Amino acid sequence: AQSVAQPEDQVNVAEGNPLTVKCTYSVSGNPYLFWYVQYPNRGLQFLLKYITGDNLVKGSYGFEAEFNKSQTSFHLKKPSALVSDSALYFCAVTSGLDNYGQNFVFGPGTRLSVLP
Amino acid sequence: DAGVIQSPRHEVTEMGQEVTLRCKPISGHNSLFWYRQTMMRGLELLIYFNNNVPIDDSGMPEDRFSAKMPNASFSTLKIQPSEPRDSAVYFCASSFGGAIKGDTQYFGPGTRLTVL
Repeated sequence: AQSVAQPEDQVNVAEGNPLTVKCTYSVSGNPYLFWYVQYPNRGLQFLLKYITGDNLVKGSYGFEAEFNKSQTSFHLKKPSALVSDSALYFCAVTSGLDNYGQNFVFGPGTRLSVLP
Repeated sequence: DAGVIQSPRHEVTEMGQEVTLRCKPISGHNSLFWYRQTMMRGLELLIYFNNNVPIDDSGMPEDRFSAKMPNASFSTLKIQPSEPRDSAVYFCASSFGGAIKGDTQYFGPGTRLTVL
């Protein structure tokens, strides 16, 4: 069965500092990995995904994530945090073994607070 | 494109009443997903359709929940009878899906359901 862990419920970072939001996964077969962001009272917005190829994936709003197969991790990073990045971040995984590759499993979410 | 459209945005009802949530996916998308988000359980996949056909409904909590997709541009999630524990935010998402494994899912704004 697929699973996703986001070990930190909350991450606090000062504006201008680099940020990291952690994600580890467990899946049978090749993983397809995603990051989404949720602002208050809004739906989830897609940030980036890893399907295959370069382990460093660049996405929206200056975010990037690095796929590490040996550590089964897909941490989200940004070199310089903005106050407007404060939101709830979700990591999700699905598997190439799934006939449709559509059965996403989401992590519990990490609340990012960027302090001015 | 208008994105995924959900209605209503907020629904307050009394226990025992029937509730119908509606979703219009992004035009051209072949897959549609219903999720439920609660503080206790996080984001859970309830059911997903591909080409209007239910593919996986293993996440539907019980027989009180049903979902239909009569055509490519409309889906409903019905709860009958509703109970207070059904209170949650319900999201609809869509993707091109089908043969494209790991395709990005795009989320609607959600319906916040409160059952008194």
